[in-house]
Order: sequence, then C-alpha cells, then structure tokens
Amino acid sequence: DSGVTQTPKHLITATGQRVTLRCSPRSGDLSVYWYQQSLDQGLQFLIQYYNGEERAKGNILERFSAQQFPDLHSELNLSSLELGDSALYFCASSTLGSSYNEQFFGPGTRLTVL
Amino acid sequence: TQLLEQSPQFLSIQEGENLTVYCNSSSVFSSLQWYRQEPGEGPVLLVTVVTGGEVKKLKRLTFQFGDARKDSSLHITAAQPGDTGLYLCAGPYNQGGKLIFGQGTELSVKP
Repeated sequence: DSGVTQTPKHLITATGQRVTLRCSPRSGDLSVYWYQQSLDQGLQFLIQYYNGEERAKGNILERFSAQQFPDLHSELNLSSLELGDSALYFCASSTLGSSYNEQFFGPGTRLTVL
Repeated sequence: TQLLEQSPQFLSIQEGENLTVYCNSSSVFSSLQWYRQEPGEGPVLLVTVVTGGEVKKLKRLTFQFGDARKDSSLHITAAQPGDTGLYLCAGPYNQGGKLIFGQGTELSVKP
C-alpha cells in the first residue's frame, strides 16, 4: 500500500459526458501528479500540482483540468469524453524536497468510455 | 520523441532463467528509477540509482546505472512467476518534479 488513494476504481460512462477522478496523496506529500496510461501510449504525464498551485503541465488536453485543494487532495476533471479517453488514470505523490523525485502511485482509476 | 528507450518490450521466460532489461537514453539523467507494475495496479518504486556506475541489489534484482548516467539495466537472477509484470524506468525531466517514463518491458515468467 503506497498510501495514495484514488476513487473510483472503475468508471464507465458515455461519450460527451464529464467525470471527476479523485486522489488523496500520502500523508505529508505536497506534490500530486496525474498520469494517463493506455496500451499504445504508455504512461504519460498530464499535470502536477504542488501545495495547491499548478507546477508543470504535460500532454494534457484542453478538455481535461485538475486542481488541488487546501487539504491537498486533488481532482482530475475530464469533459466531452471521447472513446480514446478510455485508459487507466493514475495519481502519484512525492515529497518535492527529494532530489530524485521518487513518486508513489495510487491504484488507479480505469475509465471506460462507451 | 521517447527520451527513455527500454528493451526488450516483451520477454517471456521459464522459471529459473536469468534476464536483463535495458533502459537507454541519449540524455544525461541526474538519477533513474525503476518501477514494477502489476496488471490493474499502480507502479511501485523498486529502486533509485543516482551515481554513475552505481550498482544496487534488491534480493534477486540487480540495478546498474551507466558511468555516463545515460543508461541503466535491471538484471533478475533465477526469475520466478512472482516477478511477472511491467518494468518501467523513469527519470526526472527538467526541474519541478516531472518524470519521464520508458515504454516498459512486459515480463512473463512461466512456471
């Protein structure tokens, strides 16, 4: 158990819909990262938040957005869903003070868009 | 452009065999990490290598960081079915905490 929690575990929805994925980082970790993992693209970095502020952006679509709340939990919002958005979405957290940025991953949310 | 290239992409071996997985880059990394991921689960950090030429051992797993800090390898001795999974190497990209992942090596160890 990494200490990072994600809900829900599975999500099935239809094209055009909007969903929210939730992540709680390890106790004490200020930094949260979101990744998308699909069979053809591997593990792709989406976005990072540190203590409530956006820190880095990766290959995140404009239809996707995220935020980190004062209690440090984070939400990833996916809207106008398309079939190609079906993937595993992972949240990770780290102690940004670490020089090596070792990240601890949650169990993921499997999103299926029908 | 994939900054970290892993090889092989797929590996299927019998229990008891040895294997090596490679992670290569044309870029220098300050450190490299290895993760193992089981189906439907999140990646789990195995080790971080930080010094060129460094060798770290984790039971039957041996990790090496290249002298020039552009490559790393993972060697498994006497593989067991429990070693089955996706092995990912990753390295920090620029400052700020972003990690770049290799595409992974899918290992299957048959009893």
